[in-house]
Amino acid sequence: AQKVTQAQTEISVVEKEDVTLDCVYETRDTTYYLFWYKQPPSGELVFLIRRNSFDEQNEISGRYSWNFQKSTSSFNFTITASQVVDSAVYFCALSRGGSQGNLIFGKGTKLSVKP
Amino acid sequence: DGGITQSPKYLFRKEGQNVTLSCEQNLNHDAMYWYRQDPGQGLRLIYYSQIVNDFQKGDIAEGYSVSREKKESFPLTVTSAQKNPTAFYLCASRSRDRGQVNTEAFFGQGTRLTVV
Repeated sequence: AQKVTQAQTEISVVEKEDVTLDCVYETRDTTYYLFWYKQPPSGELVFLIRRNSFDEQNEISGRYSWNFQKSTSSFNFTITASQVVDSAVYFCALSRGGSQGNLIFGKGTKLSVKP
Repeated sequence: DGGITQSPKYLFRKEGQNVTLSCEQNLNHDAMYWYRQDPGQGLRLIYYSQIVNDFQKGDIAEGYSVSREKKESFPLTVTSAQKNPTAFYLCASRSRDRGQVNTEAFFGQGTRLTVV
């Protein structure tokens, strides 16, 4: 069975602090895909990143960075120098490879960035 | 502009009524999904469809029904059998990459359903 665990329900930081959102996944597949999404108060989910199971290279995009470690089944997301606009709910998701790839979500982490 | 359109944005249902939530996409995506979001529960899969005229139950399909008569459309009906339908409903779609459904999902803006 596939499962995504985001143990942090809510995080509150002060602007300019760095913050890491944890994501741990479970799957028996050798080919799978991991995603992060941002859900601002408006409700629509915004895609941030996709990573396949064969690519453990970390990625940086501006203030965002992602650390994928297969050895610990983790795909953590770090925001550097957080800003108030980063306040949102962040979801980690897992999809199996193949033609029937469902997208399974964690319960989300609500990030509040205070000025 | 390509995207997914959900309507209505807000919907009120009386006890015992069926209601249908609309989801239309013009992205030419094969796969479409319906998720339900409750506070603290994340997104839970209701139904999904990988191709026209075919769909499968997700984790919480009881009390819901869908159809996929056209590639662009995947409406969700919340029936009177769904005892606690008040929630935020999100529709999503994904494309195939060389036959594999592994791309990112695009989401609509959601429909907030309230039972009155």
